[in-house]
Amino acid sequence: AQSVTQLDSQVPVFEEAPVELRCNYSSSVSVYLFWYVQYPNQGLQLLLKYLSGSTLVKGINGFEAEFNKSQTSFHLRKPSVHISDTAEYFCAISSGGSYIPTFGRGTSLIVHP
Amino acid sequence: SQTIHQWPATLVQPVGSPLSLECTVEGTSNPNLYWYRQAAGRGLQLLFYSVGIGQISSEVPQNLSASRPQDRQFILSSKKLLLSDSGFYLCAGEGPTGAKNIQYFGAGTRLSVL
Repeated sequence: AQSVTQLDSQVPVFEEAPVELRCNYSSSVSVYLFWYVQYPNQGLQLLLKYLSGSTLVKGINGFEAEFNKSQTSFHLRKPSVHISDTAEYFCAISSGGSYIPTFGRGTSLIVHP
Repeated sequence: SQTIHQWPATLVQPVGSPLSLECTVEGTSNPNLYWYRQAAGRGLQLLFYSVGIGQISSEVPQNLSASRPQDRQFILSSKKLLLSDSGFYLCAGEGPTGAKNIQYFGAGTRLSVL
């Protein structure tokens, strides 16, 4: 079985400050890891993914995430956030034997001016 | 990449009425397709997935059903809606070979059952 834990349900931050959204996972096999973003009343869109190779992955909109196998984490970071980054962020995991992903409960990023 | 079309965007239905939400896929063939429900603050709940025409797997027992009459069409239905069926419904398709496990989402349907 696999699971995803997003440790923060809400993260408030001021514009131009750095941010980290935390994600920990559990799986008994090798995994693929994803971050998706959801703007209000819209579907989810892929921010970035880790399938293999370099553990530091860069995505759209200046976001990046680092896969840490020993800590079973895949935290999302951005060095300087904008108001437009206000959205819900979902961490997801799937494993090699199954295409069905497991999503975390989401973290609401709220960027204040 | 593929595009997921979902409609309607919003829907208000009385309790006990039927439901039909349609999802179509563009840009790929034989995709795996998914229906999710999203309740506020509770993430995504997988309702159904399909690996091919006529093949439906249900993840949770509920008042809803799904069908896949064509390769690129996925329908979510109910014969009689309950108040608890209210929520934001998302259809997703899985990426083609070379875009392993990546999901592409439709814009969602917000269903209010009154």
